[in-house]
Formats: sequence, C-alpha cells, structure tokens
Amino acid sequence: KAGVTQTPRYLIKTRGQQVTLSCSPISGHRSVSWYQQTPGQGLQFLFEYFSETQRNKGNFPGRFSGRQFSNSRSEMNVSTLELGDSALYLCASSLVDTTDTQYFGPGTRLTVL
Amino acid sequence: DAKTTQPNSMESNEEEPVHLPCNHSTISGTDYIHWYRQLPSQGPEYVIHGLTSNVNNRMASLAIAEDRKSSTLILHRATLRDAAVYYCILGAGGYQKVTFGTGTKLQVIP
Repeated sequence: KAGVTQTPRYLIKTRGQQVTLSCSPISGHRSVSWYQQTPGQGLQFLFEYFSETQRNKGNFPGRFSGRQFSNSRSEMNVSTLELGDSALYLCASSLVDTTDTQYFGPGTRLTVL
Repeated sequence: DAKTTQPNSMESNEEEPVHLPCNHSTISGTDYIHWYRQLPSQGPEYVIHGLTSNVNNRMASLAIAEDRKSSTLILHRATLRDAAVYYCILGAGGYQKVTFGTGTKLQVIP
C-alpha cells in the first residue's frame, strides 16, 4: 500500500499570504489528522476529519482551517500567514479514529518570511 | 484534556535494554496509550499501543501500570537505528483529541 503523501514538501511564503497544504491518506483510511510541529512547541494537534466532517479541533486560531473530500483526501489552509506559522505540518491517516494506528506523512515544511 | 509527561532526553548503550517512561496521571478510562517515534527529518512512526494490559510486538514492549497513570516503553536491545524522539500519546478516538507528550530524545551510544 502506498503511504500517506503530502504536497508540497517545502513551501516559502511571506507574511499576510495564505497557503493550502494537501494530504492523501492511505487507501481505505477515513480519518485524517493534521499536526503542527515546531522546535518550541513540539507536536500540536490541529484538527481531525472523518467522512468529510471535522470531528475535533485543537487550540489554534480560526486562520487555520481544513476540509476533507469524499475520497478522504484532505487539505488544510492557513490564511494571513504570520512568522510564527513557520513549522513542519504533518498529516496522519488512520482507519477510523485516533485509537487506531496513525500513519504519518513526511510533512510539509512551511517557511514564512 | 489528558496530558503526558516524559523526560526530555535519555541515553543508552547499544545492545542494552532501554526503558522510556511516561506519566499520564489524568488519563481517562477510554484513553488508549500510544507510542510513536520520530527519526530525524521524518514523520512519526507507530511503535506500539495498549489500553490496560501489557503489550508486545516485534519492535518493543509496553508496560502499563495497574492504575494506568504511567507506562513504560521497553526496547529490548537498543540499536543505533533506535536513536529518535519517542512520543507517548493518549487518544480516545472519535470526538476526543489527541494529546502529544513532550517527547524523549533517545541517544544510543555505540
């Protein structure tokens, strides 16, 4: 089975811009979660989607949003980028929910200048 | 949300066992305990998980305290490839969010 793929792998944006990151889960997986990883804050949960519905959300401002499509592929969007949004954004998929094993993608490295 | 606490770093000699602790004193009855590890420049990968009983797989063993307020990941023979950051995670699934621990950076000394 192909693993979780994330595109793009690297991205450079400037403050105020917006960005869309994409995640393709493992075939058959219906739950997709997003995480932000920074040196200072570690791994932080952004949100989880299941059957095109956001099932849970972490403590991030409304500038961070996401969606899931009928084929379980997911996108996350960050609007009005700030310097502090520079991070590795990780996507993970699992069969049904986060009690199942999560399979992580390689991440998208976002740099905000 | 339930929180986890892990030591920031640990060292082990190659081919010796390693015990990585995790405290989760506010764990709820439905929270599964997961361990993941992250190698440099990679996304985390699954190691093991359990609910109440001790668990073994080809990678490691998970020992869960009787009161479930702590757990220990056991690598039976550390290798250089085991050098990574190990995360202890609680997840109840469904509408419960995942809480990551601080992670323990394991250094394996040849």
